[in-house]
Amino acid sequence: EAQVTQNPRYLITVTGKKLTVTCSQNMNHEYMSWYRQDPGLGLRQIYYSMNVEVTDKGDVPEGYKVSRKEKRNFPLILESPSPNQTSLYFCASSTTRLHSPLHFGNGTRLTVT
Amino acid sequence: AQSVTQLDSQVPVFEEAPVELRCNYSSSVSVYLFWYVQYPNQGLQLLLKYLSGSTLVKGINGFEAEFNKSQTSFHLRKPSVHISDTAEYFCAVSDTNSGYALNFGKGTSLLVTP
Repeated sequence: EAQVTQNPRYLITVTGKKLTVTCSQNMNHEYMSWYRQDPGLGLRQIYYSMNVEVTDKGDVPEGYKVSRKEKRNFPLILESPSPNQTSLYFCASSTTRLHSPLHFGNGTRLTVT
Repeated sequence: AQSVTQLDSQVPVFEEAPVELRCNYSSSVSVYLFWYVQYPNQGLQLLLKYLSGSTLVKGINGFEAEFNKSQTSFHLRKPSVHISDTAEYFCAVSDTNSGYALNFGKGTSLLVTP
């Protein structure tokens, strides 16, 4: 089954404790992206990647890092999480063919205390 | 750059009633337009998309949307909603050079009650 898998689904952590949210897709997609979803703000893009070893900032990259060492994986790293990063995070992937739909994971709800 | 405005943050509607979720976009170039749906505790999935051609686009679950270039709108409609349509709906836009890189609206929460 074609899917984007995020782990964990829920995560509670404390300020400053490094964490990684994993994202993996099995569709051989070139394009991958991370979004955060906050009430009243919709989805905002954090980082995206056009292919292996190619990443770029989205609209709200501060406090986040990503890497794309393999085509299928695109982890999101918070080196020193802060409470304002409490949010619902989504990973998505797509081919780079025009008007290809984005395929989303089921989300990771992160709480930073 | 492109942007999207969803004019209603919440839309309550009774079961079997018609519904329209409004979306306006802003862009200086040609665009592709999308509607995504997010059911509770799930990721987003594509409802429908406008690329070119006919301005009336039909999607899954009986939804349709009409592209209106003069009014820069892409409103989503359904003639008769079900309880199961309760979800968050997102309008999104991309330019025609990078159709996978979307700018999303803030979402409209559709609540269908008996």
